Amino acid sequence: LAKTTQPISMDSYEGQEVNITCSHNNIATNDYITWYQQFPSQGPRFIIQGYKTKVTNEVASLFIPADRKSSTLSLPRVSLSDTAVYYCLVGDGGSQGNLIFGKGTKLSVKP
Amino acid sequence: KAGVTQTPRYLIKTRGQQVTLSCSPISGHRSVSWYQQTPGQGLQFLFEYFSETQRNKGNFPGRFSGRQFSNSRSEMNVSTLELGDSALYLCASSPVPGQSYEQYFGPGTRLTVT
Repeated sequence: LAKTTQPISMDSYEGQEVNITCSHNNIATNDYITWYQQFPSQGPRFIIQGYKTKVTNEVASLFIPADRKSSTLSLPRVSLSDTAVYYCLVGDGGSQGNLIFGKGTKLSVKP
Repeated sequence: KAGVTQTPRYLIKTRGQQVTLSCSPISGHRSVSWYQQTPGQGLQFLFEYFSETQRNKGNFPGRFSGRQFSNSRSEMNVSTLELGDSALYLCASSPVPGQSYEQYFGPGTRLTVT
């Protein structure tokens, strides 16, 4: 069964680049690795997903090594509005098709 | 397009009762997933439905069940409620199921069991 590990919290300042890493083993071989952002009292919001190497969209980049045992979400030049909890999501590769969310990383951006 | 809607938004039930939560996906989305979120366990996957069939499921007891209708709307039911079932229940929709987990979440239903 898949297991995920993320740092519980991170602090940053406005304008800095933030990298959040999720370690995950025994994940589904053919599934994407996905990251979500959640603000208080809201449902999670999709940020980015990837299968291998590097993916970039207008808000973030995602780095995935060849062994897919980890993934790193990179947020360039964070602002106060990026203060939120960030989750990785992977498939556990089991027969039930269970999905596993990381415990979440609370990012606090300071002025 | 309207987002994912969930009803009711808040619910208080007594231990031993049962509850039904409803989810309407984004128009055109055919896959609906349910999650439970608690401070202690975080976000946990309950199940996914596509074309009125359960496609994937998490590690929850049989007291938790769901169904999907032909218009893609979904309901989840929890029977014989326990205090530990108090949580935020989130519904998420996606166009089709597959190896992608790009989903759109609703605001959730806050269930309190007393």
